[in-house]
Amino acid sequence: LAKTTQPVSMDSYEGQEVNITCSHNNIATNDYITWYQQFPSQGPRFIIQGYKTKVTNEVASLFIPADRKSSTLSLPRVSLSDTAVYYCLVGDRISGNTGKLIFGQGTTLQVKP
Amino acid sequence: DAMVIQNPRYQVTQFGKPVTLSCSQTLNHNVMYWYQQKSSQAPKLLFHYYDKDFNNEADTPDNFQSRRPNTSFCFLDIRSPGLGDAAMYLCATSGKRGTGELFFGEGSRLTVL
Repeated sequence: LAKTTQPVSMDSYEGQEVNITCSHNNIATNDYITWYQQFPSQGPRFIIQGYKTKVTNEVASLFIPADRKSSTLSLPRVSLSDTAVYYCLVGDRISGNTGKLIFGQGTTLQVKP
Repeated sequence: DAMVIQNPRYQVTQFGKPVTLSCSQTLNHNVMYWYQQKSSQAPKLLFHYYDKDFNNEADTPDNFQSRRPNTSFCFLDIRSPGLGDAAMYLCATSGKRGTGELFFGEGSRLTVL
């Protein structure tokens, strides 16, 4: 299973763009990269998922280089409500595999006024 | 509308007194996961079901058991809770095994006195 490594914490200010990078050096060919957001006392919430290059949705962008050994979650113009813990997961979409999805340590993002 | 519902949201038990936490889903997903999350830590996978196929993590204590009587419901039984079992217990579902697209409930917070 690919192990993920993220910065423990990051600080930002309202209105800034925030980029959180996740390393997954042992990512396998079939693995997809998924990012989650978690607020205190709530379950994690799906943000975005990608396999390679760039994916964008209404809340974030995900950049994945050609070697796929890392990925970067980009949050445009953060607000105070984006203060949360962000996790990246690496998982295999091919049915028949173990289905294990292991969380890394996560990145605590603190957005300041 | 909530799609993954966990009950109770808060559970207080005494040391050694059995506890059952429940999870129900309206998504008709094949895969259901149970995670344990302690304060300031990442969610830790306890076990998961692919349909009725049960997959236990190697380091999940024997004190933790699970049942999945049908597609919609899954239970976590803690047979003899210890102080170290105090945590948030998160249930998640996925339509495809290992895809990383998890839908989480709000969690059940267990306090052990």
